[in-house]
Amino acid sequence: DAGVTQSPTHLIKTRGQQVTLRCSPKSGHDTVSWYQQALGQGPQFIFQYYEEEERQRGNFPDRFSGHQFPNYSSELNVNALLLGDSALYLCASSLLDNEQFFGPGTRLTVL
Amino acid sequence: QKEVEQNSGPLSVPEGAIASLNCTYSDRGSQSFFWYRQYSGKSPELIMFIYSNGDKEDGRFTAQLNKASQYVSLLIRDSQPSDSATYLCAVNAHFGNEKLTFGTGTRLTIIP
Repeated sequence: DAGVTQSPTHLIKTRGQQVTLRCSPKSGHDTVSWYQQALGQGPQFIFQYYEEEERQRGNFPDRFSGHQFPNYSSELNVNALLLGDSALYLCASSLLDNEQFFGPGTRLTVL
Repeated sequence: QKEVEQNSGPLSVPEGAIASLNCTYSDRGSQSFFWYRQYSGKSPELIMFIYSNGDKEDGRFTAQLNKASQYVSLLIRDSQPSDSATYLCAVNAHFGNEKLTFGTGTRLTIIP
């Protein structure tokens, strides 16, 4: 049974560019949440998707957007990248209102 | 005041001893509480969750919750070198899992 998968593993971009990160949830899970984890910090909630709708959003600017597909997979898009966007981006999947399980993350470096 | 506070450590514990990790939270309405373990360079791994006041045991791990004091802890008995990691406390305002609010984590080192 595959767990949560994310792609790519690592990514290097320059300021001003746009990036798309992808997540496939654990089999049987229908809810995907995205978190940003800066070095030495705990994960910060970006948003959560359920039934292809954004269910809740954290304190992130509109440059951060997402999508959930009918097969429950999800994308995180970040526009106009800033140096401060460099972080580990974590996807977590769950059955609605149950415990969240994290994928391996995507390490984004913005130069 | 941070929403979820943890001592950043590092916390050093001899092998075989009990490691005690603490977490306080500011939202008195919080309903569900989670402990995640994160090895360096890896993603967080769920260890335990607790919803009710008191203790919850799972193997060598015990989570303790005191909602009146807004305090949750994790005890690791018979600590092993493989327990060396950062432990993240996470809180949710509701039963279930919408937004998880994390502390900054406590770095634990088990000394052989």
